[in-house]
Amino acid sequence: DTEVTQTPKHLVMGMTNKKSLKCEQHMGHRAMYWYKQKAKKPPELMFVYSYEKLSINESVPSRFSPECPNSSLLNLHLHALQPEDSALYLCASSPDSTGVGYTFGSGTRLTVV
Amino acid sequence: AQSVAQPEDQVNVAEGNPLTVKCTYSVSGNPYLFWYVQYPNRGLQFLLKYITGDNLVKGSYGFEAEFNKSQTSFHLKKPSALVSDSALYFCAVRDIGGSQGNLIFGKGTKLSVKP
Repeated sequence: DTEVTQTPKHLVMGMTNKKSLKCEQHMGHRAMYWYKQKAKKPPELMFVYSYEKLSINESVPSRFSPECPNSSLLNLHLHALQPEDSALYLCASSPDSTGVGYTFGSGTRLTVV
Repeated sequence: AQSVAQPEDQVNVAEGNPLTVKCTYSVSGNPYLFWYVQYPNRGLQFLLKYITGDNLVKGSYGFEAEFNKSQTSFHLKKPSALVSDSALYFCAVRDIGGSQGNLIFGKGTKLSVKP
């Protein structure tokens, strides 16, 4: 298995909803990442988990809450989002923290209404 | 701080012609450089990387890139463009400022290949 799987592929949520994005990989990678990408813009780093510990939080608002239950799973919990949070959310993994061998998921297209 | 610049927002090429998508970088130390391609509403697909070794790197789908240390460039090339190559291309450098391997991306270049 050489893929990063993200679910759901599309999500529409209201500003008062609570939802979660899920990311899974079975490549034995020990670093996992969440990126946010607005249309026609480069991905922007949100969080980095290394060996299941949060190592980077790029000043992301608390309405985004990451969780790494085990080495294969990465979740992003969403609560009280704003319409400007609508974007493509990409998960990625790499074997270790060197950044070599990144694999991206296909993303979750999030729309906040 | 590490950074990547893609000077062109869009590159237009006729099918069958060679293509070049430009990228320059700024890092302290030795760079790890990458090219990714993104099709509409999809994630990023890895094309190629430069870590060490030969300056000419060959990657997926017939793409290659040349690492030029003196010009701090890592331009993406393909000898003969296909319509199916039309997509958004990102150059990226690994952030070695900290201990984590997160990537820093250029703004992206839209490649349009016309029949």
